[in-house]
Amino acid sequence: GAVVSQHPSRVICKSGTSVKIECRSLDFQATTMFWYRQFPKQSLMLMATSNEGSKATYEQGVEKDKFLINHASLTLSTLTVTSAHPEDSSFYICSGRARDSYEQYFGPGTRLTVT
Amino acid sequence: DQQVKQNSPSLSVQEGRISILNCDYTNSMFDYFLWYKKYPAEGPTFLISISSIKDKNEDGRFTVFLNKSAKHLSLHIVPSQPGDSAVYFCAASAGSDKLIFGTGTRLQVFP
Repeated sequence: GAVVSQHPSRVICKSGTSVKIECRSLDFQATTMFWYRQFPKQSLMLMATSNEGSKATYEQGVEKDKFLINHASLTLSTLTVTSAHPEDSSFYICSGRARDSYEQYFGPGTRLTVT
Repeated sequence: DQQVKQNSPSLSVQEGRISILNCDYTNSMFDYFLWYKKYPAEGPTFLISISSIKDKNEDGRFTVFLNKSAKHLSLHIVPSQPGDSAVYFCAASAGSDKLIFGTGTRLQVFP
């Protein structure tokens, strides 16, 4: 149980374009979803927290207009990287957490490369 | 300010022996702790957790110990297997707040 999927697993895009990453909880209702990014050999960096039906809460230093997060249902959240730049190239990982639960279950991640 | 610290970036253990991964924290408000395992280019996999009202939780080969007075927790894996080779992250939360992750420890289990 507690499976989270992400799509796509890899994406290459050109500078200036936008990319959407989907995160789905397959067998539980994720009332809260989180988006992280990870640079090589570094820890997970939380970008934002979103509760279903509410606006996302962004961590300090994360541009909300650049990283658009939508959590429209209890099983789906999307992250859109707008006007992508090469420095946005990273490994993006989402996680979901059920109501009244502490555990977060992570998706497999999406490798974004901006050329 | 790193609230959750894993001071050992790497650990090498022989197959069959015990692996002990350590984690220290500074925030006394943390009341729930988790361990995740991560392979390269994959998302973390939840392993085991412990509430601050306990000092030990066991699940198969994995046991987590919590020492609240020392603000220290550890993950014991016994016996270690080559498939356990991965990066292990500890994480902590205060209430149902976001998780704060440590920097990870790379475990290598050799034959």
